[in-house]
Amino acid sequence: EPEVTQTPSHQVTQMGQEVILRCVPISNHLYFYWYRQILGQKVEFLVSFYNNEISEKSEIFDDQFSVERPDGSNFTLKIRSTKLEDSAMYFCASSARDLNQPQHFGDGTRLSIL
Amino acid sequence: DQQVKQNSPSLSVQEGRISILNCDYTNSMFDYFLWYKKYPAEGPTFLISISSIKDKNEDGRFTVFLNKSAKHLSLHIVPSQPGDSAVYFCAAGGNQGGKLIFGQGTELSVKP
Repeated sequence: EPEVTQTPSHQVTQMGQEVILRCVPISNHLYFYWYRQILGQKVEFLVSFYNNEISEKSEIFDDQFSVERPDGSNFTLKIRSTKLEDSAMYFCASSARDLNQPQHFGDGTRLSIL
Repeated sequence: DQQVKQNSPSLSVQEGRISILNCDYTNSMFDYFLWYKKYPAEGPTFLISISSIKDKNEDGRFTVFLNKSAKHLSLHIVPSQPGDSAVYFCAAGGNQGGKLIFGQGTELSVKP
């Protein structure tokens, strides 16, 4: 069964450094998402992406965050200058359509900011 | 953000019995609901979904019920198996494009 893959599984970064989290969505999916889960809290929506542009973003997704689909397979989340509070699990998801279709999630990247 | 709530942080059930997980929502514009299962160190795995035009959807041992007037959905697992032990999240969407709003999760423990 096709799956969403994320790399790395764990990223440790110094505060203030840039970090790029990578995702390979399911190949025939057109809609891509990033969510995060801070330890002990809910899974929170960050951003949705379709047709090479952001469809929607949450208030968490400020100017420090950006997303890109640099080629036909990868989907990346960049945090420009990391803060301690960016420490979380980051999940990538994809779906065939935006409405009334299940989103399929990767196993996440654990981001630890020191 | 309290739009989707799972009020039971944990549930313990005997193998072979029914597990019932509950979820409440406040936004009447939600029209698509999903249940995900999550093991430690893995991402959420899609289990079953339901559209607001239905009140029940069944897939094998899993059934989701939707009560729109009460803004309540539930997931029934029958019979429960030890391998079902995991954290279960409900999620809602539909009125905000693809964005999903998640509940806090309920940790299910199925004892042999």
